[in-house]
Amino acid sequence: DAGVTQSPTHLIKTRGQQVTLRCSPKSGHDTVSWYQQALGQGPQFIFQYYEEEERQRGNFPDRFSGHQFPNYSSELNVNALLLGDSALYLCASSLVDRVTGEQFFGPGTRLTVL
Amino acid sequence: TQLLEQSPQFLSIQEGENLTVYCNSSSVFSSLQWYRQEPGEGPVLLVTVVTGGEVKKLKRLTFQFGDARKDSSLHITAAQPGDTGLYLCAGKMGAGNMLTFGGGTRLMVKP
Repeated sequence: DAGVTQSPTHLIKTRGQQVTLRCSPKSGHDTVSWYQQALGQGPQFIFQYYEEEERQRGNFPDRFSGHQFPNYSSELNVNALLLGDSALYLCASSLVDRVTGEQFFGPGTRLTVL
Repeated sequence: TQLLEQSPQFLSIQEGENLTVYCNSSSVFSSLQWYRQEPGEGPVLLVTVVTGGEVKKLKRLTFQFGDARKDSSLHITAAQPGDTGLYLCAGKMGAGNMLTFGGGTRLMVKP
């Protein structure tokens, strides 16, 4: 049973560029959430997708957008990259609205903006 | 100001010692989860607590959810070098699966 997978593992971009990160959820899961983790900090919630729609959104600007596909996989897009966007981007999958809210995380994509 | 405050931020101890990590908030959570994260990897779920006052044990790790569901603690008995890592607490509030994370406790256990 494959867990959550993310690609690429590492990415280097320059300011102003655009980036797309990809995530495949754990088998059987229907909800994908994206988190940003700056160095030395806990993850910050970006948004969550269920049934191909954005259900919840954290305090992130519109430069951050996403998509969920019919097979439940998801993409995170970031436009007009800033130096401060450098972080580990984590994808987590879960089942919608479970009382426990358990989420299973992928290994992350390390984005460096120069 | 973070919604979930973890303490201590850093902890360096010798193998065999006991330790407790705290996760505190003024908000009520419907559930709270503890994760451990290794450098360059994603967080790995250790436990979920749901009921106020709940205690769960995972080998040498004991997790407790506060009676009011606003705080939690993680106690490790006889720490081992393999326990080294970043420990994160994360709370779920109400409907939806969004998790709010604490800032983490970085634990180093020296042999």
